[in-house]
Amino acid sequence: LAKTTQPISMDSYEGQEVNITCSHNNIATNDYITWYQQFPSQGPRFIIQGYKTKVTNEVASLFIPADRKSSTLSLPRVSLSDTAVYYCLVVLSGSARQLTFGSGTQLTVLP
Amino acid sequence: NAGVTQTPKFQVLKTGQSMTLQCAQDMNHNSMYWYRQDPGMGLRLIYYSASEGTTDKGEVPNGYNVSRLNKREFSLRLESAAPSQTSVYFCASSEQFRPGGEQYFGPGTRLTVT
Repeated sequence: LAKTTQPISMDSYEGQEVNITCSHNNIATNDYITWYQQFPSQGPRFIIQGYKTKVTNEVASLFIPADRKSSTLSLPRVSLSDTAVYYCLVVLSGSARQLTFGSGTQLTVLP
Repeated sequence: NAGVTQTPKFQVLKTGQSMTLQCAQDMNHNSMYWYRQDPGMGLRLIYYSASEGTTDKGEVPNGYNVSRLNKREFSLRLESAAPSQTSVYFCASSEQFRPGGEQYFGPGTRLTVT
């Protein structure tokens, strides 16, 4: 089964940039990395997806180094409403049995 | 658009009882998923369906059956509920024919088995 590793928790202050890293050592060449945000009592919400190098959208950036053994979600200028659990997802070789969400990183944004 | 809807929102079962969780999506997506999330844990895939009539096992399929009768609906059945199946169940859908990618999640069903 695909294995992903994330920090359990992180604290930040409003207005700061936050970087959350996910390790996925056995990712294959064609596998995408996807990040989700989850608030309490809600289903996860898609943030961003990438394959290599850098992807940016209106809410986040995703950095993937050349070896693709890790990826970093970057949230610019966080606010209190960004307090949530963040998950990375990889699917090895396109197999449902290899679809793994990480254990999640609890981000707490402080005023 | 309602997105992904799930029924019921809450359910309490006794050990050995059966029930079916319903999920529907109105986004014309091809793939649908059933996950469970235990307290303080990440999501684990139970079953996946790439299209009508096809299903694949995920990480934790034991004790569950699924049915993808049409493109919109994907149901999850517990034939004989056990306390270990107490969890929050999420249904999701995505556009592509392979698992993963940008998934849209429903609000969840909170199931307690006593």
